[in-house]
Amino acid sequence: NAGVTQTPKFQVLKTGQSMTLQCAQDMNHEYMSWYRQDPGMGLRLIHYSVGAGITDQGEVPNGYNVSRSTTEDFPLRLLSAAPSQTSVYFCASTSRGPVYGELFFGEGSRLTVL
Amino acid sequence: GQQLNQSPQSMFIQEGEDVSMNCTSSSIFNTWLWYKQDPGEGPVLLIALYKAGELTSNGRLTAQFGITRKDSFLNISASIPSDVGIYFCAGQGGNNDMRFGAGTRLTVKP
Repeated sequence: NAGVTQTPKFQVLKTGQSMTLQCAQDMNHEYMSWYRQDPGMGLRLIHYSVGAGITDQGEVPNGYNVSRSTTEDFPLRLLSAAPSQTSVYFCASTSRGPVYGELFFGEGSRLTVL
Repeated sequence: GQQLNQSPQSMFIQEGEDVSMNCTSSSIFNTWLWYKQDPGEGPVLLIALYKAGELTSNGRLTAQFGITRKDSFLNISASIPSDVGIYFCAGQGGNNDMRFGAGTRLTVKP
């Protein structure tokens, strides 16, 4: 029972570098999303997808790109990393509606941008 | 955008005390959920609420979906040390996205 798998768990980048955080789920969930968690800010929605080929912006999308070519995968791309993107990133998925069920979370990816 | 205002930000209580936290929104939500996060892990669902006015219990936890669909509360009775963690409310809004409150950090003193 893999659930939601995120890689890598830890990453250090220099300002201006690019990278992709991977997220995969094996529960055939339509809805997938990326959150970032910063102290005192809770979980803020970056991007989400309600199905393959469909993505939409959340609260804090700037500096991040996503794509959803398959139901299983939802990678998050940082094109030019900035120190403000230092955070813990969580991928989550759930079956889709019309009312969403439980969001299942990955273990998180801790990103540091120097 | 849809904002969730969660309070209090933090709570320090004695073991055995009851705890109450709540979330409010300026927008209507279709679903309210309550999660708990332990250090170094992702949030885990505690209670899900799907109907306005719904009151649901899960052991020592009780949560309600406000009748206006703009608020929810979570109560924890007879707290124990393992209740320590960060509690988040979350809601499904009209854009079909899931938003989270800023969290309530709970500390339980033995």
